[in-house]
Amino acid sequence: GNSVTQMEGPVTLSEEAFLTINCTYTATGYPSLFWYVQYPGEGLQLLLKATKADDKGSNKGFEATYRKETTSFHLEKGSVQVSDSAVYFCALSEGGGYQKVTFGTGTKLQVIP
Amino acid sequence: DAGVIQSPRHEVTEMGQEVTLRCKPISGHDYLFWYRQTMMRGLELLIYFNNNVPIDDSGMPEDRFSAKMPNASFSTLKIQPSEPRDSAVYFCASSFSEGGEQYFGPGTRLTVT
Repeated sequence: GNSVTQMEGPVTLSEEAFLTINCTYTATGYPSLFWYVQYPGEGLQLLLKATKADDKGSNKGFEATYRKETTSFHLEKGSVQVSDSAVYFCALSEGGGYQKVTFGTGTKLQVIP
Repeated sequence: DAGVIQSPRHEVTEMGQEVTLRCKPISGHDYLFWYRQTMMRGLELLIYFNNNVPIDDSGMPEDRFSAKMPNASFSTLKIQPSEPRDSAVYFCASSFSEGGEQYFGPGTRLTVT
């Protein structure tokens, strides 16, 4: 079956530091890949996505590149802010009308001033 | 659009009582998902619907849990009888038939004493 593996948190960074959250996946087909973010007390919201190999998703300074050869979709940001403190979930969807999304366990990011 | 609406936002009940959680998906979305989030098990898919029909309920923990979607704009998740181990945040999410992106509601925090 499908699975998503994320680096364990929590990750604590100083403001303006570089962020990488690793994500690798296992899927039988050619999935779409997503990063969701969950701020305290809220539901998950889509941060970015990529639907095919070598696509780069980007939003709010965050980026992730769909790497089929390494089955990875690592999340990066060049300079984090305190407001980026949240839990980040990597996820995949097989697509093709099959809507079940497989989520990773989430990585908590804390950014300190 | 108001987004996915869930009610109540918080529910405190005693063991053995019936609990009903409600969800209104985004208009035009034809997939609806119910998730449960706990510290121990993370985010778990309980059940999802397509065009008001349950497609996969393999994540429903036991017979005490039931979900319905009587029309395209309303769904319920019922727990009867409730137990302390059901304490969690329950999320409803909806999506279009293509694309895979899910839109989450703010969640219902359930506490069973």
